[in-house]
Amino acid sequence: DTAVSQTPKYLVTQMGNDKSIKCEQNLGHDTMYWYKQDSKKFLKIMFSYNNKELIINETVPNRFSPKSPDKAHLNLHINSLELGDSAVYFCASSQGSGSGRTDTQYFGPGTRLTVL
Amino acid sequence: KNQVEQSPQSLIILEGKNCTLQCNYTVSPFSNLRWYKQDTGRGPVSLTIMTFSENTKSNGRYTATLDADTKQSSLHITASQLSDSASYICVVSPAGGFKTIFGAGTRLFVKA
Repeated sequence: DTAVSQTPKYLVTQMGNDKSIKCEQNLGHDTMYWYKQDSKKFLKIMFSYNNKELIINETVPNRFSPKSPDKAHLNLHINSLELGDSAVYFCASSQGSGSGRTDTQYFGPGTRLTVL
Repeated sequence: KNQVEQSPQSLIILEGKNCTLQCNYTVSPFSNLRWYKQDTGRGPVSLTIMTFSENTKSNGRYTATLDADTKQSSLHITASQLSDSASYICVVSPAGGFKTIFGAGTRLFVKA
């Protein structure tokens, strides 16, 4: 199946732990993103990578560190997890850099992170 | 400040009825506007994409309109089905930039 996939789908962990979420796309896209969707369902961009290079880095705590080993993967590592990090995290990809007319973003299924 | 506002926040309609969702934006200069559908527990899926020169775009029972002068867009759903129950998110991209701006979404409930 051609798609954007994320693992794990659910992640429950204790405050203070370090965790990673993995994302892979087999669509051949150049750009990948991480979004956070909070309890009010607002989607907020966190990071964007184009051909393995960081192009968007919103005001996100430096406990969050994206890593792109190749343009098909963009993983998100979170250090010292806090209660406020609980949310659904979506990975997405697009052909171009995000604002062009053909740059529809394709989203993964999401990872629901719960910090206890 | 670039913003995207959607209304109503939520909407309940009966199966078979039509409905219209609104999106107002202040993004300028403007590149394109998209509507996404997000089912519960899933990622958003693109429905339509329009540039500033396009007034309308259809995708099956979904028809999006755009008025770039008044900075308003609407999504019209015809003959609603139970499977239309979802959040509908308006997304606007500024020209020349990388960031897209998401609205908070309209939560649609279609009842039998």
